[in-house]
Amino acid sequence: KAGVTQTPRYLIKTRGQQVTLSCSPISGHRSVSWYQQTPGQGLQFLFEYFSETQRNKGNFPGRFSGRQFSNSRSEMNVSTLELGDSALYLCASSLRQVNAEAFFGQGTRLTVV
Amino acid sequence: GQQVMQIPQYQHVQEGEDFTTYCNSSTTLSNIQWYKQRPGGHPVFLIQLVKSGEVKKQKRLTFQFGEAKKNSSLHITATQTTDVGTYFCAGRGGSNYKLTFGKGTLLTVNP
Repeated sequence: KAGVTQTPRYLIKTRGQQVTLSCSPISGHRSVSWYQQTPGQGLQFLFEYFSETQRNKGNFPGRFSGRQFSNSRSEMNVSTLELGDSALYLCASSLRQVNAEAFFGQGTRLTVV
Repeated sequence: GQQVMQIPQYQHVQEGEDFTTYCNSSTTLSNIQWYKQRPGGHPVFLIQLVKSGEVKKQKRLTFQFGEAKKNSSLHITATQTTDVGTYFCAGRGGSNYKLTFGKGTLLTVNP
C-alpha cells in the first residue's frame, strides 16, 4: 500500500510569508501527527489529529496551525514565517492514536530566506 | 510536561564493536517505541515495547523496557556500516498521551 505522502518536498519562502504543507496518510489511518526537525533539536511535536479533531498540541506559537479533513488528509499552516522556521517538517500517520507505530512521510524541507 | 532524554548524543564506533543508547523519561510511559533515521531519510519504526521489564530482539538489536517503565535501551551487537543513522526513542505517557521523542543518538561506524 502507498506510504505517507507529503507535498511539497522542498519549499523556499521569504520572511513574513505564509506556507501550507500537506500530508496524505496511509489509507485507513485516522491519526496524523506533525513534527518539526532541526539539527540538534530532534523531533519537536507540533500537533496530533484523530478523526478531524486536534488531540494534542506542542509548544509552538499560534503562527503554527493545522487541520485534518474527513478523508484523514492533513494540512499545517505557518503564518508570518521567520528564519527560525527553516526545518524539515515531518508528518506521521498511525492506525490508532495509541499503541500504534507511526509511519513517517519523506518530509517537507522548508527554507525561509 | 513530559520529557524524554536520550544519551549519548553521538557515538562513533569501529565496525564490529557494540553500541548502546539509553532513553529516560520524566514520567511513566505506557509504551516506548524506537525509530531509526538514516542520513537524509525519515524515521522508520523499529519496535514497540509495552510491558514492564520487556526485552525484545531483532537480529543484532536488543531492546529493553525498564521495570518502572521510565527508561529503555537499544543495544546493537557487532555493528555494521549499515547501522549508521540516528536512533530515536519515543514514548507516550503523562496526562495528554502525546508521543514524545528523545533527541536521538547519531551512530557512525568506521569500516
